Amino acid sequence: DSGVTQTPKHLITATGQRVTLRCSPRSGDLSVYWYQQSLDQGLQFLIQYYNGEERAKGNILERFSAQQFPDLHSELNLSSLELGDSALYFCASSVTVAPYEQYFGPGTRLTVT
Amino acid sequence: GQNIDQPTEMTATEGAIVQINCTYQTSGFNGLFWYQQHAGEAPTFLSYNVLDGLEEKGRFSSFLSRSKGYSYLLLKELQMKDSASYLCAPMDSNYQLIWGAGTKLIIKP
Repeated sequence: DSGVTQTPKHLITATGQRVTLRCSPRSGDLSVYWYQQSLDQGLQFLIQYYNGEERAKGNILERFSAQQFPDLHSELNLSSLELGDSALYFCASSVTVAPYEQYFGPGTRLTVT
Repeated sequence: GQNIDQPTEMTATEGAIVQINCTYQTSGFNGLFWYQQHAGEAPTFLSYNVLDGLEEKGRFSSFLSRSKGYSYLLLKELQMKDSASYLCAPMDSNYQLIWGAGTKLIIKP
């Protein structure tokens, strides 16, 4: 158990819908990272927040957005969902702004039908 | 641009030794990570190298040559549970991890 929690574990929804994925970092960690991993593909970095502020952006679509709240939990919002958005979405956290000792949550498996 | 190159798949025998290579090109360099990922599960940290040389940790060792943009992960005394993907991830000058596609390691009895 990494100490990073993600909810829900599984999510099935239809094309065109909007969903919200939630992540709680390890206690004391200020950085939260979001990743997308499609079937048999590598990890795609989406976005990083550090202490409530957006710190870095990767290959995140305009239909996707995220935020980190004052209690440091984070949410990833995916809208106008397409079949190709079906993937595992991982959240990770680290103490510092740099990803030393980055711990991953168990992931949310999103299926868009 | 930034680029990571790892073999897509490797096969090895239980009890043997395997070396997974990674070559990289990044904008600046602040060390390199190796992660293990079992199918459908989250990646877990294996090693971090920032200086040239070999770092040994039990059955796993990781090597780095910064001048060559090269790293390898060495796994000894292979066990069936080592069947997984191994991800090489150098950190660039902005402290961002650049993720390779990973090497799928298959262990046969």
